[in-house]
Amino acid sequence: GAVVSQHPSWVICKSGTSVKIECRSLDFQATTMFWYRQFPKQSLMLMATSNEGSKATYEQGVEKDKFLINHASLTLSTLTVTSAHPEDSSFYICSAFHSTDTQYFGPGTRLTVL
Amino acid sequence: GDSVTQMEGPVTLSEEAFLTINCTYTATGYPSLFWYVQYPGEGLQLLLKATKADDKGSNKGFEATYRKETTSFHLEKGSVQVSDSAVYFCAIDGSSNTGKLIFGQGTTLQVKP
Repeated sequence: GAVVSQHPSWVICKSGTSVKIECRSLDFQATTMFWYRQFPKQSLMLMATSNEGSKATYEQGVEKDKFLINHASLTLSTLTVTSAHPEDSSFYICSAFHSTDTQYFGPGTRLTVL
Repeated sequence: GDSVTQMEGPVTLSEEAFLTINCTYTATGYPSLFWYVQYPGEGLQLLLKATKADDKGSNKGFEATYRKETTSFHLEKGSVQVSDSAVYFCAIDGSSNTGKLIFGQGTTLQVKP
């Protein structure tokens, strides 16, 4: 099946710094990618939809200035957590929408903010 | 709004036991229905899906039938294996057909030898 990668797989940063997470579709092009957040033992919550060549659309309650999304190419979307704080610590997961109308998920990135 | 409710876990079964994980949804339209599986340390993988009423999705011995009348999509497997131990997520793509997925809370399955 199609492969989606995320980098880094885990990151630890100090409070107030910014962290960038990359999501790549390795063997297909994706005009649409999604970013989710998963808290421990909870479900995935959609944060935003990333569209290649246009602005991301954010779900209600998600701060767009806090979570910057850039989808500069058909195989890469990035999520930057700006001025991270401990409450931003979470598991961030991306998915890429394949032409077969199936979403393929990345392995996730564990962010820990000290 | 659209939502998905799954049975709470964890579910602990012995090998070769029958598995059912219940999933019900609310949606204003006719969503596609999915089951995703997350093995320890890995990302979500699509297990099976159904796109219209009475469709049956199946994969790796797992099955689920799209029941429009009961708004359900219960996951079943006749004989589980230790390797099936994972977290299972039921999801719908909502009424907007935008590809956005709405997930249930996930059900942890532990299969003991």
